[in-house]
Amino acid sequence: NAGVTQTPKFQVLKTGQSMTLQCAQDMNHEYMSWYRQDPGMGLRLIHYSVGAGITDQGEVPNGYNVSRSTTEDFPLRLLSAAPSQTSVYFCASSTNGRLQYEKLFFGSGTQLSVL
Amino acid sequence: GDSVTQMEGPVTLSEEAFLTINCTYTATGYPSLFWYVQYPGEGLQLLLKATKADDKGSNKGFEATYRKETTSFHLEKGSVQVSDSAVYFCALVSGSARQLTFGSGTQLTVLP
Repeated sequence: NAGVTQTPKFQVLKTGQSMTLQCAQDMNHEYMSWYRQDPGMGLRLIHYSVGAGITDQGEVPNGYNVSRSTTEDFPLRLLSAAPSQTSVYFCASSTNGRLQYEKLFFGSGTQLSVL
Repeated sequence: GDSVTQMEGPVTLSEEAFLTINCTYTATGYPSLFWYVQYPGEGLQLLLKATKADDKGSNKGFEATYRKETTSFHLEKGSVQVSDSAVYFCALVSGSARQLTFGSGTQLTVLP
């Protein structure tokens, strides 16, 4: 049972480039989300999804797009990378998004540097 | 809006020392409270949680009690080990919200 799998683990981009961070889970979880982790700021929610075909914005959505075509996959797209998007990105999932009772399962993260 | 304030780190302790990491919160209603731990090079893992006032969450020797009167959820362990070295995050969820609000994290280093 792999849990939540993120790829790549490391990525370096130039300003203006685009890329997609991949996230897949094999636990049949309805809820999936993307957080970014910055020093001294904890984790902040970018986007989330409560099921295939349903996505919504979190606290810091600007510059990022998501889609959810299957239950398993929730890719995060950077359309035109900026240095402010240098961060560590975590994908997390839970059974059905009742976060006051469920735990989040996190991937191991993607460290992104934008030059 | 909701917020979580954690004691500033880093914290360095000797093995078998007593650990306290302070966490206070601001939230509407009655949030659920969590401690997550991040070991080097890994994602976060749930350490413990409490869903109502006066509940005590516990796991792996760690404990935290949901104190509504002081809006606190301090993490404690009686005797830390080198393997407890990690970053600890306090977090909350208010009602049916679809996101966790995290504190800034506290780096703990335990020396042998």
